[in-house]
Amino acid sequence: DAKTTQPPSMDCAEGRAANLPCNHSTISGNEYVYWYRQIHSQGPQYIIHGLKNNETNEMASLIITEDRKSSTLILPHATLRDTAVYYCIVRLPNQAGTALIFGKGTTLSVSS
Amino acid sequence: DTEVTQTPKHLVMGMTNKKSLKCEQHMGHRAMYWYKQKAKKPPELMFVYSYEKLSINESVPSRFSPECPNSSLLNLHLHALQPEDSALYLCASSRPLSPSSYNSPLHFGNGTRLTVT
Repeated sequence: DAKTTQPPSMDCAEGRAANLPCNHSTISGNEYVYWYRQIHSQGPQYIIHGLKNNETNEMASLIITEDRKSSTLILPHATLRDTAVYYCIVRLPNQAGTALIFGKGTTLSVSS
Repeated sequence: DTEVTQTPKHLVMGMTNKKSLKCEQHMGHRAMYWYKQKAKKPPELMFVYSYEKLSINESVPSRFSPECPNSSLLNLHLHALQPEDSALYLCASSRPLSPSSYNSPLHFGNGTRLTVT
């Protein structure tokens, strides 16, 4: 079962920051938080992941609370092409090839 | 564009047919995955291969038969499917599994959309 809770949908105006929350209150010490998104009719696309510290890359920023029970994905300047389903996933890395277990995700709609 | 290539993009098959889905990657990844995604639902894990050996089977019916002939290829053989098996089938891969890369992201293909009639 998915170990995360996300709002089912969010709206964002084009050019504004999109802040997508995720609750993972049962996360264990060595589990990472991953974010993926899926644009209609495509495969899921990796965005970012982190353990404890905040992370930033060319796509987004990931803010993880100090107690690690929740996180926020930030898209700093949302565009229409960012309209997608965003999945927050908790993953335990191990030797056997740990798969991603997807929850229901958040449908982000960016409008002009 | 993705670095994981899935063929065909679309497939229509009857319930008595035998068909195969193919997945190929040339990133040197040694873990490969099959997922199934029904409309408006999240992807569901089916199988995981690690170093060409099946490591996880999520209680998938035997009418789905995976095969990993080498480190770059992953097949999913289909036989006697039911209409409810119609879905998007996604393949993914991740880096060679060593202590420094246990946590490597999965890279997904764009899937094969399967319709069973």
